[in-house]
Amino acid sequence: GAVVSQHPSRVICKSGTSVKIECRSLDFQATTMFWYRQFPKQSLMLMATSNEGSKATYEQGVEKDKFLINHASLTLSTLTVSSALPVDSSFYICSARDPLAGVEKLFFGSGTQLSVL
Amino acid sequence: ILNVEQSPQSLHVQEGDSTNFTCSFPSSNFYALHWYRWETAKSPEALFVMTLNGDEKKKGRISATLNTKEGYSYLYIKGSQPEDSATYLCARMNYGGSQGNLIFGKGTKLSVKP
Repeated sequence: GAVVSQHPSRVICKSGTSVKIECRSLDFQATTMFWYRQFPKQSLMLMATSNEGSKATYEQGVEKDKFLINHASLTLSTLTVSSALPVDSSFYICSARDPLAGVEKLFFGSGTQLSVL
Repeated sequence: ILNVEQSPQSLHVQEGDSTNFTCSFPSSNFYALHWYRWETAKSPEALFVMTLNGDEKKKGRISATLNTKEGYSYLYIKGSQPEDSATYLCARMNYGGSQGNLIFGKGTKLSVKP
């Protein structure tokens, strides 16, 4: 099946720093990738839809200036958490759709646990 | 926000036991129901995508059913094995919604003891 690679798996940073998370589709081209966030004991929640070559679409309540998404190629989307604060500490995970695998099926990265001190 | 509920939250069974858990969701504007298996430190793995009322799907010892009219899906595992230990997520996709806009439940964490 399709593989999505996400790095880093874990990051600890100081308040005020920016953190970049990468999401790569290894064996397929992903025109669209999705970024989710999960707080402890909560469900995965969609943050934004990343479209190759165009601006990301953010869900209501997600600050686009805080969570910068770049989808510069068909295999790479990045999420940058700008000026991270302790409240941004969460689990972030990406997914992508392989057009050849069917319109509904999504493939996920393994996630990034962000801890902001 | 349309809530997806999963029960139980966690489940402990012995190797060889068969088990099942539930995903319930609002039935209006329904398009698809996804089941994922998620092992710690790994990527969620898609098990099933179901769209039609009455759908039944099977993958090895795991099967799922779907009732879109009453808004629930069951996941069954026959003869549980330790390697089945994982969190099982269900997610609903709305008709006409973004393909990534899955509304997830909180998951059922299954532990299978040898």
